[in-house]
Amino acid sequence: DAGITQSPRYKITETGRQVTLMCHQTWSHSYMFWYRQDLGHGLRLIYYSAAADITDKGEVPDGYVVSRSKTENFPLTLESATRSQTSVYFCASQGLLAGGGEQFFGPGTRLTVL
Amino acid sequence: AQRVTQPEKLLSVFKGAPVELKCNYSYSGSPELFWYVQYSRQRLQLLLRHISRESIKGFTADLNKGETSFHLKKPFAQEEDSAMYYCASINQAGTALIFGKGTTLSVSS
Repeated sequence: DAGITQSPRYKITETGRQVTLMCHQTWSHSYMFWYRQDLGHGLRLIYYSAAADITDKGEVPDGYVVSRSKTENFPLTLESATRSQTSVYFCASQGLLAGGGEQFFGPGTRLTVL
Repeated sequence: AQRVTQPEKLLSVFKGAPVELKCNYSYSGSPELFWYVQYSRQRLQLLLRHISRESIKGFTADLNKGETSFHLKKPFAQEEDSAMYYCASINQAGTALIFGKGTTLSVSS
């Protein structure tokens, strides 16, 4: 479990502020993902990355920015936080997608936007 | 659009009762399906995958292509099974997982 970590674990911010959530994995997995978890919506994919310098939008990318300059890191930035972005954010990594590969999740970051 | 549907938000059963968590998918080809579980205060983790045809913690799930279903079953529920369960499918592009909205299973004595 220590292979994928997220920081901070809890964050309170104000509307309009920029916030960056960090994700780090030690397995050298190619794929990394950001999800948000909300009641009634389950897990929704925000962005994903197939490798360093390759990122793509998921289901709900608006208001978020990602980068992946190194394989092990995949930060998620809320450029101007809104109340609707209050959520629990999960980062995940995976070595292979096809063939039943397992996705490993971080512990989550609980973000509150006031 | 490709979807994974879990029709029940909450399923409450008594200890020892059978459990079936429903999952339906929309996919035109051969899907790769999974069940993930999130216990209280723990990370989301893989429970089982259809490709392995395995049984984990007494849970099984069979792919039914005719009904496009991948229901999770356990013959005798235990209190420690209480958790949030997510059904997931790899998308058709093969680039990401699509999750259902999740079902909370509550097992009481």
